[in-house]
Amino acid sequence: AQSVTQLGSHVSVSEGALVLLRCNYSSSVPPYLFWYVQYPNQGLQLLLKYTTGATLVKGINGFEAEFKKSETSFHLTKPSAHMSDAAEYFCAVSDRPHFGNEKLTFGTGTRLTIIP
Amino acid sequence: EAQVTQNPRYLITVTGKKLTVTCSQNMNHEYMSWYRQDPGLGLRQIYYSMNVEVTDKGDVPEGYKVSRKEKRNFPLILESPSPNQTSLYFCASSLRPSSPLHFGNGTRLTVT
Repeated sequence: AQSVTQLGSHVSVSEGALVLLRCNYSSSVPPYLFWYVQYPNQGLQLLLKYTTGATLVKGINGFEAEFKKSETSFHLTKPSAHMSDAAEYFCAVSDRPHFGNEKLTFGTGTRLTIIP
Repeated sequence: EAQVTQNPRYLITVTGKKLTVTCSQNMNHEYMSWYRQDPGLGLRQIYYSMNVEVTDKGDVPEGYKVSRKEKRNFPLILESPSPNQTSLYFCASSLRPSSPLHFGNGTRLTVT
C-alpha cells in the first residue's frame, strides 16, 4: 500500500527566503507524485506532478520538486518566498496505471506561513 | 470554464436529519471522488466512482452513500448525520484515478 509522510505540519519562512517542504513516500511500484496547494476557503489545485522522465519538475508560481528514488522523496522548493505563497500544501502519491492501485493517497498537509 | 461545482458551500444541520451535498463537473471526466478534510488528518477518501453506475468505498465510507446516475453528477448523501461527520468535504474529478484531480471549492458541514 502507498503512504505519504509530510515532515512538519507548519513551516514558517521569511519573505524572500527559500521554501522547502518535505515529502517522503512509500510505494511498491513506480509512483506518480503530486503536489497540490490549497488557498484559504478554496479547493485544492495542482501545483506540479511527476509521472516519468525528468526527475526535476517545474510547476506553477515558481515552485519545483525533485523525484529522488533512492531517498523515496519528492520535496517541494521555491527559491524566494512571496506573501502570496501562504497556503496549505499537500503531497500525494498514486501507483502508475496498470501497475497497481491508482488511488491517490494524500499526506496530512503542511501549512506554510510567510513572515513579512 | 472547466469546473467542479459543489453545493452548498456551508451547511449546518442537526443529528439525524438527512442531507445531500451535490457535485457536478463539466469536463466529461469518468472518475469522481469525495474526500473529507480534517485538521491533522489531511484528505481521506470517502467514496469514488470509475464511471456511471460504478461506485466503490474509499477509506472512510461509514455513514455515507453516493450515486452516479449521470456522468457529470456525483452526490454525497448522509442519511443520518452525526456530529463526527462535521468536516470540510471536497468533490473531485479526473480522467482516471492517477490523473491530476480537479477539486470543487468545498462544503463545510456542521452537525449539532
